[in-house]
Amino acid sequence: GAGVSQSPSNKVTEKGKDVELRCDPISGHTALYWYRQSLGQGLEFLIYFQGNSAPDKSGLPSDRFSAERTGGSVSTLTIQRTQQEDSAVYLCASSSGGYNEQFFGPGTRLTVL
Amino acid sequence: GQNIDQPTEMTATEGAIVQINCTYQTSGFNGLFWYQQHAGEAPTFLSYNVLDGLEEKGRFSSFLSRSKGYSYLLLKELQMKDSASYLCAVRGGYTGGFKTIFGAGTRLFVKA
Repeated sequence: GAGVSQSPSNKVTEKGKDVELRCDPISGHTALYWYRQSLGQGLEFLIYFQGNSAPDKSGLPSDRFSAERTGGSVSTLTIQRTQQEDSAVYLCASSSGGYNEQFFGPGTRLTVL
Repeated sequence: GQNIDQPTEMTATEGAIVQINCTYQTSGFNGLFWYQQHAGEAPTFLSYNVLDGLEEKGRFSSFLSRSKGYSYLLLKELQMKDSASYLCAVRGGYTGGFKTIFGAGTRLFVKA
């Protein structure tokens, strides 16, 4: 079946604008994760959805960042009033359960000018 | 707090064996993962350890010691295509919200 997909693959925006990044997880996967990766760095945890439980938002760097997951499937990460330091690759991953391996999407490369 | 440490870079020769170490301190423990990430690509799953001991999968093996908060990834018969970053990741326990924390990764260079 299809893997994790993300859109857009690239996004260039101006400082101060809002952006929305989309993630389509593997069908049936109950867990969904968002990470951020700056050039040459490791993965920074942002947010974790597991089934119908309240999401773990502890990794969101500021209140400009928010995410939702509708119907237990598609997720949208929203960054308001973007700043240059938000420039990074945003990776989404899903797994069939919180204990299982994560399957990553190709990422969205965000550039804030 | 939660912390995962692994070396920043390693270099090894084609055909050789290399061991990449990872130490961790997390709020609880519910499994350790190794992922491979080629430059410009998304990470892909390599191995999973939840009990102490060695898990072998082809040229790759992963070891875990929970009492020491330590794991290593062993790559045998190195090939040029093994040049990549290797990410150690730990899934925490209840107090940590069960989320998975990644280390910064070890960039492996395989030379001829």
